[in-house]
Amino acid sequence: GIQVEQSPPDLILQEGANSTLRCNFSDSVNNLQWFHQNPWGQLINLFYIPSGTKQNGRLSATTVATERYSLLYISSSQTTDSGVYFCAVPEAGGGNKLTFGTGTQLKVEL
Amino acid sequence: KAGVTQTPRYLIKTRGQQVTLSCSPISGHRSVSWYQQTPGQGLQFLFEYFSETQRNKGNFPGRFSGRQFSNSRSEMNVSTLELGDSALYLCASSTGTDEKLFFGSGTQLSVL
Repeated sequence: GIQVEQSPPDLILQEGANSTLRCNFSDSVNNLQWFHQNPWGQLINLFYIPSGTKQNGRLSATTVATERYSLLYISSSQTTDSGVYFCAVPEAGGGNKLTFGTGTQLKVEL
Repeated sequence: KAGVTQTPRYLIKTRGQQVTLSCSPISGHRSVSWYQQTPGQGLQFLFEYFSETQRNKGNFPGRFSGRQFSNSRSEMNVSTLELGDSALYLCASSTGTDEKLFFGSGTQLSVL
């Protein structure tokens, strides 16, 4: 099956700093999704981004499908950004069978 | 519009018992997927239902089963519980194939 790798595995930031999270995947995909899991376990969908760039407030994401990677940018980080960030891609054959990366654990400190 | 609702939020069971988890998708969503999250294995796909039919299945033993009702609500069942089944079980819904997934808050299952 498809392999998904995320880097870095852990990240500690001071409030106000910027960061870039990376997601590499091993095969062509139809779409890619970024999620944020908060400390209570809730997975929030941040972006559905098959290709190109999308922005939502302080967050933006870019997927370069031909080179099999995606980047998530967090600007002016806040303590509420803390949690685990996952990227996920679908298995070949359609449906919503997603393969998730191992995640980036982000901690934003005051 | 209400989000994905999972019940119960927490469950404690003993080995050998069975358990049923429930998921109500966002109104209008016909696809419901289930995922298991553990510290060691991360997030793993269990199965997906669309219009009451299982469309995809992950690599889990037959003790894990599910179903979907005509109103798109879904249940998953785990029989003969093992200690390793302790996990956060997450349900996600979407309108169809290759669409944005929306997750519920999960059911935290502890098997003693």
